Amino acid sequence: QSVLTQPPSVSAAPGQKVTISCSGNNSNIGNNDVSWYQQLPGTAPKLLIYDNYKRPSGIRDRFSGSKSGTSATLGITGLQTGDEADYYCGTWDSSLGLVVFGGGTKLTVL
Amino acid sequence: QVQLVQSGAEVKKPGASVKVSCRASGYTFTTYDINWVRQATGHGLEWMGWMNPNSGNTGSAQKFKGRLTMTRDTSKSTAYMELSSLKSDDTAIYYCARGPTLGWFDPWGHGTLVTVSS
Repeated sequence: QSVLTQPPSVSAAPGQKVTISCSGNNSNIGNNDVSWYQQLPGTAPKLLIYDNYKRPSGIRDRFSGSKSGTSATLGITGLQTGDEADYYCGTWDSSLGLVVFGGGTKLTVL
Repeated sequence: QVQLVQSGAEVKKPGASVKVSCRASGYTFTTYDINWVRQATGHGLEWMGWMNPNSGNTGSAQKFKGRLTMTRDTSKSTAYMELSSLKSDDTAIYYCARGPTLGWFDPWGHGTLVTVSS
Protein backbone atom coordinates (compact mmCIF):
# COMPACT_ATOMS: atom_id res chain seq x y z
CA GLN A 1 0.00 0.00 0.00
CA SER A 2 1.74 3.15 -1.24
CA VAL A 3 1.51 6.43 0.65
CA LEU A 4 0.86 8.28 -2.61
CA THR A 5 -2.05 7.05 -4.71
CA GLN A 6 -1.78 6.71 -8.48
CA PRO A 7 -4.09 4.94 -10.91
CA PRO A 8 -2.62 1.53 -11.80
CA SER A 9 -3.00 2.12 -15.52
CA VAL A 10 -3.99 4.67 -18.12
CA SER A 11 -4.24 4.38 -21.88
CA ALA A 12 -4.75 6.61 -24.88
CA ALA A 13 -4.19 6.60 -28.62
CA PRO A 14 -1.06 7.93 -30.34
CA GLY A 15 -1.13 11.70 -30.65
CA GLN A 16 -3.61 12.10 -27.81
CA LYS A 17 -3.10 13.53 -24.31
CA VAL A 18 -3.14 11.71 -21.00
CA THR A 19 -2.96 12.80 -17.39
CA ILE A 20 -1.74 10.79 -14.42
CA SER A 21 -2.82 11.79 -10.94
CA CYS A 22 -0.93 11.44 -7.67
CA SER A 23 -2.83 11.95 -4.44
CA GLY A 24 -1.37 12.41 -0.97
CA ASN A 25 -1.92 14.48 2.16
CA ASN A 26 -0.56 17.53 3.97
CA SER A 27 2.41 15.60 5.32
CA ASN A 28 3.72 14.92 1.84
CA ILE A 29 2.38 16.56 -1.33
CA GLY A 30 0.59 19.33 0.54
CA ASN A 31 3.84 20.76 1.92
CA ASN A 32 6.63 19.39 -0.25
CA ASP A 33 7.67 19.48 -3.88
CA VAL A 34 6.74 16.61 -6.17
CA SER A 35 8.89 14.91 -8.79
CA TRP A 36 7.88 12.50 -11.54
CA TYR A 37 9.85 9.62 -13.03
CA GLN A 38 9.50 7.55 -16.20
CA GLN A 39 10.64 3.94 -16.12
CA LEU A 40 10.83 2.28 -19.52
CA PRO A 41 10.74 -1.53 -19.46
CA GLY A 42 13.95 -3.00 -18.11
CA THR A 43 15.60 0.34 -17.38
CA ALA A 44 16.26 2.63 -14.44
CA PRO A 45 13.82 5.44 -13.65
CA LYS A 46 14.43 8.80 -15.32
CA LEU A 47 13.52 12.20 -13.93
CA LEU A 48 10.76 13.90 -15.95
CA ILE A 49 9.52 16.67 -13.66
CA TYR A 50 10.95 18.18 -10.46
CA ASP A 51 9.75 20.85 -8.05
CA ASN A 52 6.16 20.20 -9.17
CA TYR A 53 6.41 21.56 -12.72
CA LYS A 54 10.03 22.06 -13.78
CA ARG A 55 11.52 20.02 -16.61
CA PRO A 56 15.17 18.93 -16.56
CA SER A 57 17.28 19.77 -19.56
CA GLY A 58 16.49 17.41 -22.41
CA ILE A 59 12.94 16.63 -21.36
CA ARG A 60 10.52 17.74 -24.04
CA ASP A 61 7.66 20.12 -23.31
CA ARG A 62 5.21 17.32 -24.15
CA PHE A 63 5.66 16.47 -20.45
CA SER A 64 4.19 18.82 -17.86
CA GLY A 65 3.53 18.80 -14.14
CA SER A 66 1.23 20.63 -11.79
CA LYS A 67 0.26 20.57 -8.14
CA SER A 68 -2.81 21.71 -6.27
CA GLY A 69 -3.28 21.14 -2.58
CA THR A 70 -2.53 17.52 -1.80
CA SER A 71 -2.58 16.27 -5.39
CA ALA A 72 -0.20 16.43 -8.31
CA THR A 73 -0.69 15.67 -11.98
CA LEU A 74 1.59 14.63 -14.81
CA GLY A 75 0.44 15.47 -18.31
CA ILE A 76 1.76 13.98 -21.52
CA THR A 77 0.69 15.33 -24.91
CA GLY A 78 1.31 14.03 -28.40
CA LEU A 79 1.55 10.46 -27.15
CA GLN A 80 4.02 8.16 -28.86
CA THR A 81 4.49 4.43 -28.57
CA GLY A 82 7.87 5.18 -27.03
CA ASP A 83 6.07 6.77 -24.06
CA GLU A 84 4.82 3.36 -22.94
CA ALA A 85 6.33 3.03 -19.49
CA ASP A 86 5.63 3.07 -15.78
CA TYR A 87 5.35 6.53 -14.25
CA TYR A 88 5.99 7.30 -10.59
CA CYS A 89 5.43 10.38 -8.45
CA GLY A 90 7.57 11.01 -5.39
CA THR A 91 8.02 13.48 -2.55
CA TRP A 92 9.23 13.84 1.02
CA ASP A 93 6.82 12.87 3.79
CA SER A 94 7.60 14.94 6.86
CA SER A 95 5.40 12.84 9.14
CA LEU A 96 6.89 9.49 8.15
CA GLY A 97 10.41 10.91 7.75
CA LEU A 98 11.10 9.34 4.40
CA VAL A 99 10.78 9.85 0.67
CA VAL A 100 7.56 8.28 -0.56
CA PHE A 101 6.57 7.17 -4.05
CA GLY A 102 3.28 6.39 -5.67
CA GLY A 103 2.60 2.81 -6.66
CA GLY A 104 3.24 3.61 -10.30
CA THR A 105 1.00 4.01 -13.33
CA LYS A 106 1.44 1.91 -16.43
CA LEU A 107 0.85 3.93 -19.58
CA THR A 108 -0.33 2.07 -22.66
CA VAL A 109 -0.38 3.86 -26.01
CA LEU A 110 -2.99 1.97 -28.00
CA GLN B 1 27.82 13.68 -18.87
CA VAL B 2 26.67 12.98 -15.34
CA GLN B 3 26.72 9.25 -14.75
CA LEU B 4 26.40 6.78 -11.89
CA VAL B 5 27.90 3.34 -12.49
CA GLN B 6 27.00 0.56 -10.08
CA SER B 7 28.66 -2.72 -9.22
CA GLY B 8 27.46 -6.01 -10.63
CA ALA B 9 24.78 -8.45 -9.57
CA GLU B 10 25.11 -10.33 -6.30
CA VAL B 11 23.71 -13.57 -4.95
CA LYS B 12 23.66 -13.89 -1.17
CA LYS B 13 22.37 -16.34 1.40
CA PRO B 14 19.87 -15.33 4.07
CA GLY B 15 21.62 -13.69 6.99
CA ALA B 16 24.55 -12.45 4.92
CA SER B 17 25.42 -8.86 3.98
CA VAL B 18 25.77 -7.21 0.58
CA LYS B 19 27.74 -4.11 -0.37
CA VAL B 20 26.88 -2.24 -3.57
CA SER B 21 29.05 0.51 -5.00
CA CYS B 22 28.03 3.56 -7.04
CA ARG B 23 30.77 5.48 -8.87
CA ALA B 24 29.95 9.02 -9.91
CA SER B 25 31.41 10.90 -12.85
CA GLY B 26 30.73 14.09 -14.76
CA TYR B 27 30.22 16.32 -11.72
CA THR B 28 31.77 17.15 -8.35
CA PHE B 29 30.87 14.16 -6.20
CA THR B 30 30.57 16.13 -2.97
CA THR B 31 27.98 18.63 -4.21
CA TYR B 32 24.91 16.38 -4.26
CA ASP B 33 23.50 13.69 -2.00
CA ILE B 34 23.45 10.05 -3.05
CA ASN B 35 20.19 8.25 -2.38
CA TRP B 36 19.46 4.53 -2.47
CA VAL B 37 16.15 3.21 -3.82
CA ARG B 38 15.19 -0.41 -4.35
CA GLN B 39 12.61 -2.14 -6.51
CA ALA B 40 11.46 -5.73 -6.13
CA THR B 41 10.47 -7.46 -9.35
CA GLY B 42 7.08 -6.26 -10.50
CA HIS B 43 6.83 -3.77 -7.66
CA GLY B 44 7.21 -0.05 -7.17
CA LEU B 45 10.04 2.09 -5.86
CA GLU B 46 11.08 2.04 -2.21
CA TRP B 47 13.40 4.73 -0.83
CA MET B 48 15.99 3.45 1.59
CA GLY B 49 18.14 6.41 2.60
CA TRP B 50 20.48 9.26 1.67
CA MET B 51 24.08 10.21 2.24
CA ASN B 52 25.84 13.56 1.97
CA PRO B 53 29.20 12.71 0.34
CA ASN B 54 30.78 15.88 1.68
CA SER B 55 30.02 15.39 5.37
CA GLY B 56 29.28 11.68 5.40
CA ASN B 57 25.99 12.40 7.15
CA THR B 58 23.26 9.89 6.46
CA GLY B 59 19.56 9.39 6.97
CA SER B 60 17.41 6.36 6.33
CA ALA B 61 13.90 5.04 6.46
CA GLN B 62 13.04 3.60 9.86
CA LYS B 63 12.47 0.22 8.22
CA PHE B 64 16.19 -0.11 7.46
CA LYS B 65 17.72 1.41 10.58
CA GLY B 66 20.26 -0.93 12.08
CA ARG B 67 20.67 -2.88 8.82
CA LEU B 68 21.65 -0.16 6.34
CA THR B 69 25.09 1.44 6.20
CA MET B 70 25.95 4.13 3.65
CA THR B 71 29.54 5.26 3.21
CA ARG B 72 31.71 6.94 0.62
CA ASP B 73 35.26 7.25 -0.68
CA THR B 74 35.60 10.77 -1.97
CA SER B 75 38.98 9.98 -3.55
CA LYS B 76 37.18 7.52 -5.81
CA SER B 77 33.91 9.51 -6.16
CA THR B 78 32.18 6.36 -5.03
CA ALA B 79 29.30 5.74 -2.64
CA TYR B 80 28.60 2.41 -0.99
CA MET B 81 25.43 0.84 0.38
CA GLU B 82 25.69 -2.14 2.69
CA LEU B 83 22.61 -4.04 3.80
CA SER B 84 23.02 -6.69 6.48
CA SER B 85 20.94 -9.58 7.84
CA LEU B 86 19.55 -10.21 4.39
CA LYS B 87 16.16 -11.90 3.99
CA SER B 88 14.49 -13.32 0.91
CA ASP B 89 12.29 -10.25 0.59
CA ASP B 90 15.40 -8.10 0.21
CA THR B 91 15.69 -9.56 -3.28
CA ALA B 92 15.43 -6.52 -5.53
CA ILE B 93 17.22 -4.16 -7.90
CA TYR B 94 19.07 -1.54 -5.88
CA TYR B 95 19.55 1.89 -7.47
CA CYS B 96 21.69 4.79 -6.44
CA ALA B 97 20.50 8.23 -7.50
CA ARG B 98 21.93 11.73 -7.22
CA GLY B 99 19.92 14.62 -5.87
CA PRO B 100 19.59 17.52 -3.49
CA THR B 101 18.73 16.59 0.07
CA LEU B 102 15.38 14.81 0.08
CA GLY B 103 14.44 16.24 -3.30
CA TRP B 104 14.46 14.91 -6.82
CA PHE B 105 16.67 12.09 -8.10
CA ASP B 106 18.70 12.55 -11.28
CA PRO B 107 20.36 10.61 -12.70
CA TRP B 108 19.88 7.08 -11.48
CA GLY B 109 22.43 4.34 -11.68
CA HIS B 110 21.65 1.38 -13.91
CA GLY B 111 20.76 -0.75 -10.91
CA THR B 112 22.28 -3.75 -9.15
CA LEU B 113 20.28 -6.95 -8.80
CA VAL B 114 20.67 -8.51 -5.37
CA THR B 115 19.23 -12.00 -5.02
CA VAL B 116 18.85 -13.53 -1.56
CA SER B 117 18.39 -17.26 -1.74
CA SER B 118 19.42 -20.30 0.22
